[in-house]
Parts: sequence; structure tokens; C-alpha cells
Amino acid sequence: AQSVTQLGSHVSVSEGALVLLRCNYSSSVPPYLFWYVQYPNQGLQLLLKYTSAATLVKGINGFEAEFKKSETSFHLTKPSAHMSDAAEYFCAVSHAGKSTFGDGTTLTVKP
Amino acid sequence: GAVVSQHPSWVICKSGTSVKIECRSLDFQATTMFWYRQFPKQSLMLMATSNEGSKATYEQGVEKDKFLINHASLTLSTLTVTSAHPEDSSFYICSARSPQEQYFGPGTRLTVT
Repeated sequence: AQSVTQLGSHVSVSEGALVLLRCNYSSSVPPYLFWYVQYPNQGLQLLLKYTSAATLVKGINGFEAEFKKSETSFHLTKPSAHMSDAAEYFCAVSHAGKSTFGDGTTLTVKP
Repeated sequence: GAVVSQHPSWVICKSGTSVKIECRSLDFQATTMFWYRQFPKQSLMLMATSNEGSKATYEQGVEKDKFLINHASLTLSTLTVTSAHPEDSSFYICSARSPQEQYFGPGTRLTVT
């Protein structure tokens, strides 16, 4: 069984500020973890993924995430938010191709 | 990189009619594909696992007679929403699994009037 909990359904930051989106997972097997971004009326875009290699994963658009097994966490960060980062973000855990998604976090970036 | 396409990208149909959505893996063979549904302002929920050449496996609470899945080839899975009703209006997203990766399609928005 696998599950994902995203803490905070809405996060608001100022442009240029640090972005931190929280994700905790539960998995009965070593997890594959993903972060996706979704813009309105569009599909999912993969930001980054953890597949048991390096615990610090760098993705596109300046995002990165750190896998912490002891905390069962995979939080997403970006040092400096841009207006274009405003979107819905989903954390997901996957096993054998089957993905379980968190409820999502809406990121708002204030000018 | 590998691409998964969906057709149509959006569709409007009348209540009681059936709608077929296609999911294709364009440059790899996918023995397994997955169908997800996303209601407005909600997350993606897995509906079913589509296996090439065999019956689909449905998640609990998903009506297999209403959501017909056919995975006739290694590059094509179809989802048919039968006797659609307004509550079936949703964003349907497929994903395809290659030996190395999984890829999501761009989604199909279904509106039932």
C-alpha cells in the first residue's frame, strides 16, 4: 500500500522568496517519488523524480527535492519564486507504474 | 523523450451517449497503461490498470461496465465512457509504462451536457 500527504493545500509566497512545498509518503516498498506541476486546463508536467539514487534530486525550473527516509518526506523547494511558478503541484508515489497522488498544493506567487 | 498522446483533447457529449478516449504511446511499447480521473480542483485518482491482451483491473468503486477499457495493442489503450451522465464530466488522464519510465498523456476533458 502507498499513500501521499501534502501538507498545506495552499501556499502563498512573494516573488523572489523561498518556495517550500511539503510531502510525506507511506510505502510498503522502496518508493519512487515524483513531483508534478499542473497549470490550469493542462496535463501534468514532471518536475523531478527520486528513484533510489541521490537523495537530493534536482529538477527543472530550479526546483529540487530531498528524500529523507527517516522522516518519510520528499519536500519540494525552490530558492526564488517566479510569477510563472504559480500553479498546482502534486507529489506522487509510484510502484510498478501505478501512481498515487497527494491532494495537491496550490502555489500563489505575489508580486 | 517518450510521448504519450490522448485523443480527443476535449469532448462534449449529450447525456446518455458514449464517448471513446484513446491513449497512445508514440515511440515505445507499453504493456501496461493506467487511466486516471481528475475532478475540478481535486487530485488524480486511479481508475484502472490496462494490460495489453487481458482484462483491465479496476480500482474499488469504479464501475467496469460503465468505463470500458480495451488495450488491444502495445501502443493503444481506449477508455469508453458508456451512457455518460453529467457527473462523469471530468479530466481523464492516461499514463503508459515503459521498462524505464512512466509517462503521462496530456489529458482529455469530458463535458457531459
